Amino acid sequence: DTGVSQDPRHKITKRGQNVTFRCDPISEHNRLYWYRQTLGQGPEFLTYFQNEAQLEKSRLLSDRFSAERPKGSFSTLEIQRTEQGDSAMYLCASSSRTDVRGELFFGEGSRLTVL
Amino acid sequence: AQKITQTQPGMFVQEKEAVTLDCTYDTSDPSYGLFWYKQPSSGEMIFLIYQGSYDQQNATEGRYSLNFQKARKSANLVISASQLGDSAMYFCAMRGTGRRALTFGSGTRLQVQP
Repeated sequence: DTGVSQDPRHKITKRGQNVTFRCDPISEHNRLYWYRQTLGQGPEFLTYFQNEAQLEKSRLLSDRFSAERPKGSFSTLEIQRTEQGDSAMYLCASSSRTDVRGELFFGEGSRLTVL
Repeated sequence: AQKITQTQPGMFVQEKEAVTLDCTYDTSDPSYGLFWYKQPSSGEMIFLIYQGSYDQQNATEGRYSLNFQKARKSANLVISASQLGDSAMYFCAMRGTGRRALTFGSGTRLQVQP
């Protein structure tokens, strides 16, 4: 059984470019989360999917950010017209509906650097 | 609203000694869960321990235990017999009633010295 995988692990881009990150959750998990983590801070919630439905979005998720989970399996997070303030680690996590504790299993993250 | 406060930006501990990492929380939810995660330099968040707000006993998982004091709204992590591999960032987090996302604190960097 593989864990949560994220791709790419590192992305360097110029301001104004679009970037897309992919997350493959643990196969039997129907819940998927995106978090953003800046240096020296804890992860901040961005959005949450249950199957293919996006059920919750943080105010941090500006209009330039869009997330999808079209078939309820993998998810993508796209950032349009990147800004230097978007530089951060983007973490994906998944969880099982049947887990009473609701423990999140995280991937290793996608680190974005905007020049 | 929920808030997690971790007041120790960094901690040092000698190998084989015990260390306590502080966490206080604030919530108006009647029931909630508290979590601790470890984040090594590789970046992956690793689940350590969970405490439900109605659990009668403090949670333990191997060398990790959670000192849960509900009246004080604190959920401190105790690591016994520290090992060099325990050096990492540690995050306290909580989830309230009916919520799915976790709210994280700012973390504590633990360095275990030989």
